[in-house]
Amino acid sequence: KAGVTQTPRYLIKTRGQQVTLSCSPISGHRSVSWYQQTPGQGLQFLFEYFSETQRNKGNFPGRFSGRQFSNSRSEMNVSTLELGDSALYLCASSLDQQETQYFGPGTRLLVL
Amino acid sequence: AQSVTQLGSHVSVSEGALVLLRCNYSSSVPPYLFWYVQYPNQGLQLLLKYTSAATLVKGINGFEAEFKKSETSFHLTKPSAHMRDAAEYFCAVSVRGATNKLIFGTGTLLAVQP
Repeated sequence: KAGVTQTPRYLIKTRGQQVTLSCSPISGHRSVSWYQQTPGQGLQFLFEYFSETQRNKGNFPGRFSGRQFSNSRSEMNVSTLELGDSALYLCASSLDQQETQYFGPGTRLLVL
Repeated sequence: AQSVTQLGSHVSVSEGALVLLRCNYSSSVPPYLFWYVQYPNQGLQLLLKYTSAATLVKGINGFEAEFKKSETSFHLTKPSAHMRDAAEYFCAVSVRGATNKLIFGTGTLLAVQP
């Protein structure tokens, strides 16, 4: 089976712009979670989707949003980008809740 | 609330030496515990997980971890380090229930000296 794929792998944006990141889970996986990784804050949970419904949300401002489609693919959007949003954004998928999560390679976002 | 503390942000060992990476957790309910590894410019790969079956958990690449409730610890060990083990290691805890949310420690960067 193909692993979790994330597109794009690298992205450069300027402050104030918005960005959309995409995640394709492993075939058959219905749960997708997103994490932000920065040198200062480490790995932080953004949100989790299961069968197109947001099941859990981390402590991030409303500029961060996401959705999941019927084929389980997920997107996250960050509006009005700030310099501090520069990070590696990781997506993870699993069959269901409490199942092993498999991570994608991440999208590295640089905000200038 | 759950939390994880990893002692030692950098650990250096010689090739062939014992690897010991420390993780302590805090949880008001029985947790699930995980160790992930991250190689440069890659995502996270699961090494092993504890879900309350056996307290000694064996993972991939020769790693294992022991769940010690009395010490609230879940330390990762490997008897003999290889150069390819050089990477960053993350301990994580999740809450049992209707969520996959993982709470990660701050990571330990393992260097393996020849």
